[in-house]
Amino acid sequence: EPEVTQTPSHQVTQMGQEVILRCVPISNHLYFYWYRQILGQKVEFLVSFYNNEISEKSEIFDDQFSVERPDGSNFTLKIRSTKLEDSAMYFCASSRGGSPFQPQHFGDGTRLSIL
Amino acid sequence: DAKTTQPNSMESNEEEPVHLPCNHSTISGTDYIHWYRQLPSQGPEYVIHGLTSNVNNRMASLAIAEDRKSSTLILHRATLRDAAVYYCILGVKTSYDKVIFGPGTSLSVIP
Repeated sequence: EPEVTQTPSHQVTQMGQEVILRCVPISNHLYFYWYRQILGQKVEFLVSFYNNEISEKSEIFDDQFSVERPDGSNFTLKIRSTKLEDSAMYFCASSRGGSPFQPQHFGDGTRLSIL
Repeated sequence: DAKTTQPNSMESNEEEPVHLPCNHSTISGTDYIHWYRQLPSQGPEYVIHGLTSNVNNRMASLAIAEDRKSSTLILHRATLRDAAVYYCILGVKTSYDKVIFGPGTSLSVIP
């Protein structure tokens, strides 16, 4: 069964550095998402992406964050000037469509640790 | 955002059926009911969804009340691998782009 893959599984970065988290969504999916989960807390939506542009973003997704689909397969989340509070699990997801009945398929996440 | 209410935690014995309840009294006619689960150290995983009729798939069954104000996820024979946090989520037309996760129900399976 096709799956969403994320790399790296664990990223350790110094505070203030830039980090890029990578995702390969399922190949025939058209909608892409990033979520994060701070340790012990619930999963939070960050951003959705469709047709090469952001379709929705949360309050968390400020100017520090950006997303890109640089080629036909990768979907990336860039965090500029990382802060301690950016430490979390970051999950990528994709779906075939964006309507309410289309399930999202999640990767197993990247654990981001900011020192 | 449309709200769901679930118990914080539940326990089940291995190989017994599990009924995970969810209340969604403010559901509107076009809202789908989705269930996801998150196993330890993994990303959320889609389980099942439905609109009005009961649904079955290889993972679980979804029983939807006639008034749609509640639903129940049924795991027919719990295994240790089913220990996870289960999220009941409404697929709301006005927020179709995102899955809004609540705290969910943490299911423990006792051998």
